[in-house]
Order: sequence, then structure tokens, then C-alpha cells
Amino acid sequence: KQEVTQIPAALSVPEGENLVLNCSFTDSAIYNLQWFRQDPGKGLTSLLLIQSSQREQTSGRLNASLDKSSGRSTLYIAASQPGDSATYLCAVNGGATNKLIFGTGTLLAVQP
Amino acid sequence: GAGVSQSPSNKVTEKGKDVELRCDPISGHTALYWYRQSLGQGLEFLIYFQGNSAPDKSGLPSDRFSAERTGGSVSTLTIQRTQQEDSAVYLCASSSQGANSFPQYFGPGTRLTVT
Repeated sequence: KQEVTQIPAALSVPEGENLVLNCSFTDSAIYNLQWFRQDPGKGLTSLLLIQSSQREQTSGRLNASLDKSSGRSTLYIAASQPGDSATYLCAVNGGATNKLIFGTGTLLAVQP
Repeated sequence: GAGVSQSPSNKVTEKGKDVELRCDPISGHTALYWYRQSLGQGLEFLIYFQGNSAPDKSGLPSDRFSAERTGGSVSTLTIQRTQQEDSAVYLCASSSQGANSFPQYFGPGTRLTVT
């Protein structure tokens, strides 16, 4: 059974700092991995999707990497801003039905 | 363009009553998913629809839960005889195809409270 873990559970950094969020999964047979952010009381916003054949994806200040063989992904946020404060979730897609298995999330607070 | 929409945004119901939650996927998206987010369980998959294929119901927690998708578009999640443990945020997502290469886009969710 696929299990997804995110470390740390919570992180507080000063504005401007670069940071890394970690995601690990137990079964390396995945099709892709998706990173989301969730603001309080809101739904999920898709940030990046990495296919199993890819090593990384970039969007603006965000860079996500994938090491499928070791069951790890990282989300790198450059020059963090207070508006980046949210819960970040990673999810792996490992089955034919495309259902996502989510991690427990990292609550990020960027202090102005 | 318009994203995934869900209604109602909030629903408070008494234990034992039935509730219906609605999801309107992004126009043209053939795949639709329901997930549930609760404090104790995190985000968990409930059910998946892809075109005219039989839905994957493997995540439904009990036979009190059912879902329909009419005309390949709007979906309704029904919970019968609600229990307090059904209290959660119910999220709907859609993707352009059911294949594994496409991201899922989520709606804002319906917060269900069973009193």
C-alpha cells in the first residue's frame, strides 16, 4: 500500500529565504507526482506535476524534483514571500485510475 | 476559464439525514474525482468517473455513500443516514483525461458538518 510522508509538518521562515519541502513515498511504481498548495478554508491549487520519466519541473520561483527510485520529491521555493504562506501537499498517482494518494502536508509560514 | 465549482459551500445537517453534494467539473474534462479531507484522515480518495466507463468506487467508506455523474458532466455525491464521522470537507476534482499524464484541478470543496 502506497504511503506518502511529508517533512517537516510545519515550517516558519523569514521573508526572502529559500526553502525546501520534502515528500517521500513507499512505492516507486508511480505515474506522476503533483504538488499543491491549500490556503485556509479553500480548495487545492495545482502547482507542479512531474511525470515519472522526468527529474524536475519549474514554474516561476518553484522547482520540484523527483527521484523515483529513492521515493523522494522536493519542492524548492526561492525568495519566499508572505503570500507563499499555505499548506503544501504532495500527491502521487500510482494506479490505472489516476487516483491521488496524498501526504499529510507541510504548513508553511513566511514571516514579513 | 471557469474552474471546478461545488455546491453548497457549507452544509450543516442532523445525524441521520441524507445530503447531496454537487460538483461541476471544468468544461470538457472527462475525468472526475471525489476526495474527502478530514482532520483525522487527511485527504482520501472516494470515487472516480472516466467517460462512460464504470466508476472506481474503491474509496467509498460505506454503502451509505454513492455518487452519480449525469451526461458525463455534473456529479452528485449522496450520503445517506449521515453520521458525525462523515463531517469533513468534500473535494471534487477533474482532469482533461483519465490518463495519468494530466493534472487534477480541484474545486473549493463543501464543508459538511453533521450535528
